[in-house]
Amino acid sequence: EADIYQTPRYLVIGTGKKITLECSQTMGHDKMYWYQQDPGMELHLIHYSYGVNSTEKGDLSSESTVSRIRTEHFPLTLESARPSHTSQYLCASSEPGRTGELFFGEGSRLTVL
Amino acid sequence: AQSVTQPDIHITVSEGASLELRCNYSYGATPYLFWYVQSPGQGLQLLLKYFSGDTLVQGIKGFEAEFKRSQSSFNLRKPSVHWSDAAEYFCAVGAMYTGNQFYFGTGTSLTVIP
Repeated sequence: EADIYQTPRYLVIGTGKKITLECSQTMGHDKMYWYQQDPGMELHLIHYSYGVNSTEKGDLSSESTVSRIRTEHFPLTLESARPSHTSQYLCASSEPGRTGELFFGEGSRLTVL
Repeated sequence: AQSVTQPDIHITVSEGASLELRCNYSYGATPYLFWYVQSPGQGLQLLLKYFSGDTLVQGIKGFEAEFKRSQSSFNLRKPSVHWSDAAEYFCAVGAMYTGNQFYFGTGTSLTVIP
């Protein structure tokens, strides 16, 4: 069973608020990812990290930012939320090596009013 | 460009019937292929994966998938569906040179009727 946790699971906030989605894993994985998931769409990679102090933008442009100060922690921040940010955000990590599978958290569903 | 196509948006099957979910990919190198399942309100869980070797791979929960290079396909099958299999299924492709980035299909939603 995967040990990757996301909080909050559900969040409803007003426009302009700053939010941080937390993601933690206890597997010691160096690689971590944030995906955005919308109904009927493929998962889009928005950020990834290869380890501490490493962050990269993914395929989908996002106004969010991430940090990786500790191996186990990979938070995502929106400085000023807008309704267009309403989505499900999935955090994942992968095993070492080139064929590592992804382990997913349960997701954070964000609604911006 | 890398892409994954799942042509069936939604499939309904009767409990006990067989199941096949289709997945086609476009990739510039030898792909690593995955099937994930997502239950409502949950994250994605790996069902099975193919890297090399035997083109028929077995996964959890009685699922299997067959890699067909000539057809660029990696279809998921199960001989007898259970009501608990109702979920969203995602096919994904990845490879080392993409930095372990993975490309997902749009998913197939499975409904199981009694």
